[in-house]
Amino acid sequence: EIVLTQSPATLSVSPGERATLSCRASQSVSSNLAWYQQQPGQAPRLLIYDASTRATGIPARFSGSGSGTEFTLTISSLQSEDFAVYYCQQYTSWPKAFGQGTKVEI
Amino acid sequence: EVQLVESGGGLVQPGGSLRLSCEASGFTFSTYWMNWVRQDPEKGLVWVSRINSDGSSTDYPDSVKGRFTISRDNAKNTLYLQMNSLRVEDTAVYYCVRNAYYFDYWGQGNLVTVSS
Repeated sequence: EIVLTQSPATLSVSPGERATLSCRASQSVSSNLAWYQQQPGQAPRLLIYDASTRATGIPARFSGSGSGTEFTLTISSLQSEDFAVYYCQQYTSWPKAFGQGTKVEI
Repeated sequence: EVQLVESGGGLVQPGGSLRLSCEASGFTFSTYWMNWVRQDPEKGLVWVSRINSDGSSTDYPDSVKGRFTISRDNAKNTLYLQMNSLRVEDTAVYYCVRNAYYFDYWGQGNLVTVSS
């Protein structure tokens, strides 16, 4: 079973700053990795799939990179609506696993 | 607009049963694999079942295998999750989720509480 480890657990940043989130897989997932954003009280929303492809309607300030076991989600200039929890998820093999999340806070 | 609307959650005693439903609209339901994913504060997001587009194939993690059954009615555009022998640790928000690999649309979530 593939385990995903996200870091840091909490990231404190200011509006307008750049945020870099990390996701590490316990074994290679190729580029089969997605990122989700979850606002309080809401369902997760797909941001990125195939490691670097933005989902429909996702602003260009969100970008994903990496392959194999190391992945990064970058938010180039944080807006107020970006303060949320972010999860990575692999879909190379079953069971599909999620990371434990990174909370981006002010 | 894609919509997934869940229903059927609530409070149930340990050992009890509950059936969740998810009504889909805004897309051709019968052509998509569907899943249930749950979330609780301790374990985070956990995938709990998937079903292929025509309902002929299902899969579960060990934690729910033999207790949960996923099914679908493509004529009614509805996904189901039958949960039996519920345990306290099954307490979570359950989401109906679309797609076979990454999850592109999520329902609003339905709280299931297992407690005596």
